Amino acid sequence: GAVVSQHPSRVICKSGTSVKIECRSLDFQATTMFWYRQFPKQSLMLMATSNEGSKATYEQGVEKDKFLINHASLTLSTLTVTSAHPEDSSFYICSASARAGNQPQHFGDGTRLSIL
Amino acid sequence: DAKTTQPPSMDCAEGRAANLPCNHSTISGNEYVYWYRQIHSQGPQYIIHGLKNNETNEMASLIITEDRKSSTLILPHATLRDTAVYYCIAPNTGNQFYFGTGTSLTVIP
Repeated sequence: GAVVSQHPSRVICKSGTSVKIECRSLDFQATTMFWYRQFPKQSLMLMATSNEGSKATYEQGVEKDKFLINHASLTLSTLTVTSAHPEDSSFYICSASARAGNQPQHFGDGTRLSIL
Repeated sequence: DAKTTQPPSMDCAEGRAANLPCNHSTISGNEYVYWYRQIHSQGPQYIIHGLKNNETNEMASLIITEDRKSSTLILPHATLRDTAVYYCIAPNTGNQFYFGTGTSLTVIP
């Protein structure tokens, strides 16, 4: 089946630093990638939709200058949490689909981000 | 995207069929229904999806009512490893997933 790899799986860093998370589709070309955030005991919350070669579309309430998304190729999207603070600590998950509409999204295993 | 409603939790005896319902009464004609599950601290795992016909794969069966307002995911012989949170999603044409609270399924030995 389709495989999506996310790296790193866990990161701990100091407040004020920027953290980059990578999401790769290993065996298919991902026209669209998605980024989610999940807080403890809550459901996944969509942050942004990323189409290859174009700017990401952010959900309401998600700061685009805080969460920088780059989708430069059909197999790689990156999320950079800039100037991270403790309230940004969360479980970040990416997904990818081969093309828009009617295709299942395939999820990475998530990145546990802890800001001290 | 259609709003989905699922019971918050269910139990199922090991070896028995687990039937997980989902209400999506506002679904439109071209919106698919997708099912995923999430085991603690992992990304969601795709299970199955369908439009209006019943579907079956190696993991599960999906039964969609004729009016498409509800569906049921069936795990035919539940095992302890099927304990997870199950999500039913009916995304818009942009394929954006808005997760609800899902159903926490506990398979009991």
